[in-house]
Amino acid sequence: EDQVTQSPEALRLQEGESSSLNCSYTVSGLRGLFWYRQDPGKGPEFLFTLYSAGEEKEKERLKATLTKKESFLHITAPKPEDSATYLCAVQALYNFNKFYFGSGTKLNVKP
Amino acid sequence: DTAVSQTPKYLVTQMGNDKSIKCEQNLGHDTMYWYKQDSKKFLKIMFSYNNKELIINETVPNRFSPKSPDKAHLNLHINSLELGDSAVYFCASSQGGLAEVSDTQYFGPGTRLTVL
Repeated sequence: EDQVTQSPEALRLQEGESSSLNCSYTVSGLRGLFWYRQDPGKGPEFLFTLYSAGEEKEKERLKATLTKKESFLHITAPKPEDSATYLCAVQALYNFNKFYFGSGTKLNVKP
Repeated sequence: DTAVSQTPKYLVTQMGNDKSIKCEQNLGHDTMYWYKQDSKKFLKIMFSYNNKELIINETVPNRFSPKSPDKAHLNLHINSLELGDSAVYFCASSQGGLAEVSDTQYFGPGTRLTVL
């Protein structure tokens, strides 16, 4: 069964304390893996797309990496404004290109 | 300019009522989606339309009926609302097309539905 699992569910960091979020997936064929940021009361906001194992993308303090079975979102020296829920989604190559979302990691960065 | 917009933002109603949520995108995308997000933040796809044609119809009660009058609009009508329908509903759009390599979805702000 196609599914996406994110860990941890919640993560509390001090400002400047780097860490990583994990997204593991099982899907019959991967078309793409997506990371989104969701702030309270808002819709998910697109961050990155990764297509193949070994690929990396960076944006400010965030770096996303992809292996055959999982993706990591590395946060370097986070700031309080990085606090949000980070969602991972995979798009299946088959099954009408359907998207499967994980339940997210809620990140809280304390000043 | 708002890329994907939804109305209303909040919807509070009684059990048994019928309600609609509207969605519009001005990105020129071919594919639109409805998602339901439960209290645990889990986003689950309900429907997907490509150029006004239904592509994905998950196991959703038939009280939920999507309608796409044109490729820029996808509305969601819900009949006989139940307590379990309370959630946040998100509309999204993407360039779409089965041949596309990149299919980034852009989400609306969500509609918080509360059924009393």
